[in-house]
Amino acid sequence: EVQLVESGGGLVQPGGSLRLSCAASGFTFSSSWMYWVRQAPGQGLEWVANINRDGSVEHYVDSVKGRFTISRDNAKNSLDLQMNSLRAEDTAIYYCARGVDNSAYFDYWGQGTLVTVSS
Amino acid sequence: DIQMTQSPSTLSASVGDRVTITCRASQSISSSLAWYQQKPGKPPNVLIYKASSLQSGVPSRFSGSGSGTEFTLTISSLQPDDFATFYCQQYNSYPLTFGQGTRLEIK
Repeated sequence: EVQLVESGGGLVQPGGSLRLSCAASGFTFSSSWMYWVRQAPGQGLEWVANINRDGSVEHYVDSVKGRFTISRDNAKNSLDLQMNSLRAEDTAIYYCARGVDNSAYFDYWGQGTLVTVSS
Repeated sequence: DIQMTQSPSTLSASVGDRVTITCRASQSISSSLAWYQQKPGKPPNVLIYKASSLQSGVPSRFSGSGSGTEFTLTISSLQPDDFATFYCQQYNSYPLTFGQGTRLEIK
């Protein structure tokens, strides 16, 4: 059974940093592109970042470029999102998701971890 | 960036109804479109990919159609479990973008 379990969310002050992690199991992690998607409270979905199978290619939405870094450890079946210079508008549930083959849609999602940026 | 616009934003319907949700892309995305259903407090669940392909395990009452810039998600006969929010997503180019969502509520 495919499982994605996020951790690392919490309350952080504006300008602060947080590192999210996603533990993957039940599939060959190194064969999948992986994604972070967020959802602000009561709002819609926003793709944040993704990374290719071996970690050599990354993409980011413009609003997080230069502040967030996605990474993966295929030996540990884990995906991370380092978030720096956090802003109030980064407040959201952050989901880890698996991409399907070479297509950038998502067939499995974690339950999400809440990040709140507030003073 | 490709903008995805869904209509309507809210839809009221009854069990057994046939409903259609529309998603329009600001430029052609070929068939690179997915539909998701999201229930409160849960992550989204993919229903349709490549505009019209049914994801494994999804009931056949869900169907998708369209290509280019206009797409539809149809539920042939609404069941009580179907009331939720639906999102389209284009994956033709970066940044990946979602529609704003369509909330399907019980009439």
